[in-house]
Amino acid sequence: EAGVAQSPRYKIIEKRQSVAFWCNPISGHATLYWYQQILGQGPKLLIQFQNNGVVDDSQLPKDRFSAERLKGVDSTLKIQPAKLEDSAVYLCASSFGDRVNRNNNEQFFGPGTRLTVL
Amino acid sequence: SQQGEEDPRALSIQEGENATMNCSYKTSINNLQWYRQNSGRGLVHLILIRSNEREKHSGRLRVTLDTSKKSSSLLITASRAADTASYFCATDASYSGAGSYQLTFGKGTKLSVIP
Repeated sequence: EAGVAQSPRYKIIEKRQSVAFWCNPISGHATLYWYQQILGQGPKLLIQFQNNGVVDDSQLPKDRFSAERLKGVDSTLKIQPAKLEDSAVYLCASSFGDRVNRNNNEQFFGPGTRLTVL
Repeated sequence: SQQGEEDPRALSIQEGENATMNCSYKTSINNLQWYRQNSGRGLVHLILIRSNEREKHSGRLRVTLDTSKKSSSLLITASRAADTASYFCATDASYSGAGSYQLTFGKGTKLSVIP
C-alpha cells in the first residue's frame, strides 16, 4: 500500500516570501493532519481535517498559515508571509478515522517537508 | 502544548544492551502510542497501549502503562545499531469532536546504539 506522499521534500525561502506544501494521504483515510516539528521537539498539531471539513485548527497561526482539503483527499498547507521562526519540518499524517473504535486510529506519517526561512 | 514528556532526552548504549525510555503525561487518556523517527524522516508507529492495559509486547518492544502515575515506559531489548532514532510518546486524550482524535507528542528521547 502506498504511504503518505508529501512534496516538496526541501524548501528554502527568504522571510516574507510565501510557500506551499502538498500532501496526499493514504487512500481511504478520512482524517488528515498537518504538524509542525521544530528541531529538537516533537510534532505539534497545526490542523486536523475529517474528509473535507476542519475538525481543529486552534493551533494554526491563521494570520499567516492556511490549509485546505477541498475534495477530501489531498491537502495543501500555505504560509504567507513566512517568518524566520517558521523554519521547521512540516509533517502530514493520515488515519482511517474510525468513529467507533478510537484505538483503531494509528496515524501514518509522510516523510515531511523541511522548510528553511532565511 | 505538549503533554508527554520523555525521559531521558538522550540515551547512548552499546549494541545488545536494553534501552528504557519513560514518558509522563498530565491528563486522562484513551490510549498512549510510541513512535520512532529516524534522522530526516517521518514518524513510524511502533505500538499502542490502551488505557485499560498495563503491559504490551511487540517483538523486542515492551510497553508499560501506569495510569495512576500517568506514566509509560518503552523497553527495547537486545538493541541494534538500526534502533538508533528518536522515540516519541503520544497521548490520545479525551476528545469529543467529530469522532476523530488528536495525538499530543512529547519532545522525544534520542537513542544512540553504538555498534
